[in-house]
Amino acid sequence: DAGITQSPRHKVTETGTPVTLRCHQTENHRYMYWYRQDPGHGLRLIHYSYGVKDTDKGEVSDGYSVSRSKTEDFLLTLESATSSQTSVYFCAIHRELNYGYTFGSGTRLTVV
Amino acid sequence: AQSVTQPDIHITVSEGASLELRCNYSYGATPYLFWYVQSPGQGLQLLLKYFSGDTLVQGIKGFEAEFKRSQSSFNLRKPSVHWSDAAEYFCAVVERYGNKLVFGAGTILRVKS
Repeated sequence: DAGITQSPRHKVTETGTPVTLRCHQTENHRYMYWYRQDPGHGLRLIHYSYGVKDTDKGEVSDGYSVSRSKTEDFLLTLESATSSQTSVYFCAIHRELNYGYTFGSGTRLTVV
Repeated sequence: AQSVTQPDIHITVSEGASLELRCNYSYGATPYLFWYVQSPGQGLQLLLKYFSGDTLVQGIKGFEAEFKRSQSSFNLRKPSVHWSDAAEYFCAVVERYGNKLVFGAGTILRVKS
């Protein structure tokens, strides 16, 4: 869907290295989210943001940090990647007008 | 905290047969409920959503869902399945604090010809 992009789309990294994933929106929405998707678990919330510099933890936040210095960008950082963080990561925005959600195309992260 | 249960991990139906995917939620007040579909390697596509009003909700691709408060359910149905419906389906409920979507584990639909 237009309005939200994730980068990179694919990444392979080594255990112990830091990794940052970027979510960019063009429509000035207040709420942004990071989810991870794993087989048998659906999508689980990692962190979310409700404004610039305002963030909170989700269900599976251990090992992850986030930052939002501008409305349009929401960054997810794995401080020291582990194999258990191999997953597909989705960013989402909440559209206040029609109470909907738009998801990015996902980032497939492999930690070797 | 809110939760969503999708009891069926896999479902296989014949093409042309009817489909029902089950979803149960836990939420004290009137829930906001969603169904999404994900084809392999793709992102999430919204099928339909329920906030209030008519308990039978129509969505895209011929899908509908019925909200039953007494059963805490929001089951997805389609009268006649097409091979292109093969995908993974997710039910979700909104946790109002933070407007967070809470997802079920998903149901993988296989369609046999």
